[in-house]
Amino acid sequence: KNEVEQSPQNLTAQEGEFITINCSYSVGISALHWLQQHPGGGIVSLFMLSSGKKKHGRLIATINIQEKHSSLHITASHPRDSAVYICAVRPFYAGGTSYGKLTFGQGTILTVHP
Amino acid sequence: EPEVTQTPSHQVTQMGQEVILRCVPISNHLYFYWYRQILGQKVEFLVSFYNNEISEKSEIFDDQFSVERPDGSNFTLKIRSTKLEDSAMYFCASSGGGSLNEQFFGPGTRLTVL
Repeated sequence: KNEVEQSPQNLTAQEGEFITINCSYSVGISALHWLQQHPGGGIVSLFMLSSGKKKHGRLIATINIQEKHSSLHITASHPRDSAVYICAVRPFYAGGTSYGKLTFGQGTILTVHP
Repeated sequence: EPEVTQTPSHQVTQMGQEVILRCVPISNHLYFYWYRQILGQKVEFLVSFYNNEISEKSEIFDDQFSVERPDGSNFTLKIRSTKLEDSAMYFCASSGGGSLNEQFFGPGTRLTVL
């Protein structure tokens, strides 16, 4: 069983639409990351969350620790948002020692058409 | 803005050859990581490095792999005898201030083993 599951795997939207990508995880975590990967392969960190909600421009990320679930929202989507969005968690170790290892979801491929 | 850099961007090698992938983390960061992504698959953790030693490694990181911080700036991943299945994108990441801080990723090195 995958520790991190994302849905949907593929998402197609029209420019301007509101987009939601979901992430569920099965382990205790100290933090959750949302990352963006462009066709060239490079990975950019969008958010790191341990509780609540964060907003940056048109991007909003929320996390519910009790339900082990996070969502990434994109408002007023644009073709330049087309990318792979990846959820990654930092597992929490008993005793509290964590060196920051991330466990990744399989990614959501987002395509926004003009 | 400080960034993680990686060289080379693309490395082609013959099976059985040794390769060294190089990374320059952000200068005041203390925690360093290598991840890999086989084409079409999710990103996987290889190893974390702190205080001049490996702090955690995955089962992928066997005796063929080693990491080193030979000076104050570089962080290297060596694969001693490459196999076809080592073909992947290799990402270096670093974080500062503590293992719970945000990780910043390099642009990746695409390794092709023939």
